[in-house]
Amino acid sequence: EVQLVQSGAEVKKPGESLKISCKGSGYSFTNYWIGWVRQMPGKGLEWMGIIYPGDSDTRYSPSFQGQVTVSADKSISTAYLQWSSLKASDTAMYYCARPRIPAAVSAFDLWGQGTVVTVSS
Amino acid sequence: DIQMTQSPSSLSASVGDRVTITCQASQDISNYLNWYQQKPGKAPDLLIYDASNLETGVPSRFSGSGSGTDFTFTISSLQPEDIATYYCQHYDNLPGTFGQGTKLEIK
Repeated sequence: EVQLVQSGAEVKKPGESLKISCKGSGYSFTNYWIGWVRQMPGKGLEWMGIIYPGDSDTRYSPSFQGQVTVSADKSISTAYLQWSSLKASDTAMYYCARPRIPAAVSAFDLWGQGTVVTVSS
Repeated sequence: DIQMTQSPSSLSASVGDRVTITCQASQDISNYLNWYQQKPGKAPDLLIYDASNLETGVPSRFSGSGSGTDFTFTISSLQPEDIATYYCQHYDNLPGTFGQGTKLEIK
């Protein structure tokens, strides 16, 4: 089965670091970009960044550049989203998603189930 | 960044109604426009890609049209299971920004 499976919910304190994961299976992980999308409580979808696991080419939205780091380990078909110092405003649901066309950024037709991140003192 | 302006932000309609949502891009994006449906507590689902192509398995009552800067998403006959929030998204360049969403409710 083609799927993206994300790591579980996290509860962290402000200032802590965090790395969440997204594991792809059932397809050639290195041949498709993987994107990250934020959804703050009760709000809309925000495009954060995207990585091509084949060569680690990574692009960020200006809104998220410097705030998060996107990475991937193609040996275990897993993409990551990490923070070095969390803020309360990072509280959100985070989705990973895969475009429908190999080696191209296009519509996201495959989504992970989401990872809830709660940052509170 | 290209800005995507969706309207309306919310919409109430009756079962069987024709429902239309519009999405306007801040610059020409050709047909690089997608539509997603998101139900509460769920990840988004792709409905329409490249402005007018129906994703496999999506009911034919959903359709999309447009090119350039102005796009339309239509549900020809609203069903109770269509209650959700709908988002447009461009991918002409990066970042592939989303519209702010349209919350659809049953009247």
